[in-house]
Amino acid sequence: DQQVKQNSPSLSVQEGRISILNCDYTNSMFDYFLWYKKYPAEGPTFLISISSIKDKNEDGRFTVFLNKSAKHLSLHIVPSQPGDSAVYFCAASAMAGNMLTFGGGTRLMVKP
Amino acid sequence: EAGVAQSPRYKIIEKRQSVAFWCNPISGHATLYWYQQILGQGPKLLIQFQNNGVVDDSQLPKDRFSAERLKGVDSTLKIQPAKLEDSAVYLCASSFGLAGIGYEQYFGPGTRLTVT
Repeated sequence: DQQVKQNSPSLSVQEGRISILNCDYTNSMFDYFLWYKKYPAEGPTFLISISSIKDKNEDGRFTVFLNKSAKHLSLHIVPSQPGDSAVYFCAASAMAGNMLTFGGGTRLMVKP
Repeated sequence: EAGVAQSPRYKIIEKRQSVAFWCNPISGHATLYWYQQILGQGPKLLIQFQNNGVVDDSQLPKDRFSAERLKGVDSTLKIQPAKLEDSAVYLCASSFGLAGIGYEQYFGPGTRLTVT
């Protein structure tokens, strides 16, 4: 069973516009959520996280929104840049220190 | 600061052969993780160490996979014998403490295993 799902395998956006990547989860015990970015032939790199006590966290061009009632989170990138082209994974854990469960990833392509 | 090191980067073996992967975490990181990432999927945790003790190995296929972290630093992951479905990228990650708020995981570049 996939506890974390990213239903869009790919997303194409024009440079300068907003990119919105979505993630849904089923496990109500999850209380910590992260986004990772992965370039080809490299390991994932941490991007931004959010705890379940918040509904929004912002870091520069990246903002993560959490809707606990809908069990949904999203990553907004504004403005999108060609260097943002990568695969984005959302991940979740139940209680700090527990294992991370990853979604299947969304490939973002930002066109110049 | 040096990142997580892994070797080899690529490995091709025949089914039923054995293979071993090595990981050197970031200096000072007590927690080490091994993930399996099958093409088109997200990473799946295989095993998690805190220093040289196992925290979680519930998703490790113990009939063929084994991992150790003897001195609480480097770690090796072994597959014996390999099956075709083991073809994947094996990622090692480390964190200062148990993963959670303030203790992010840092990933190595991975080892791409192809089993023929």
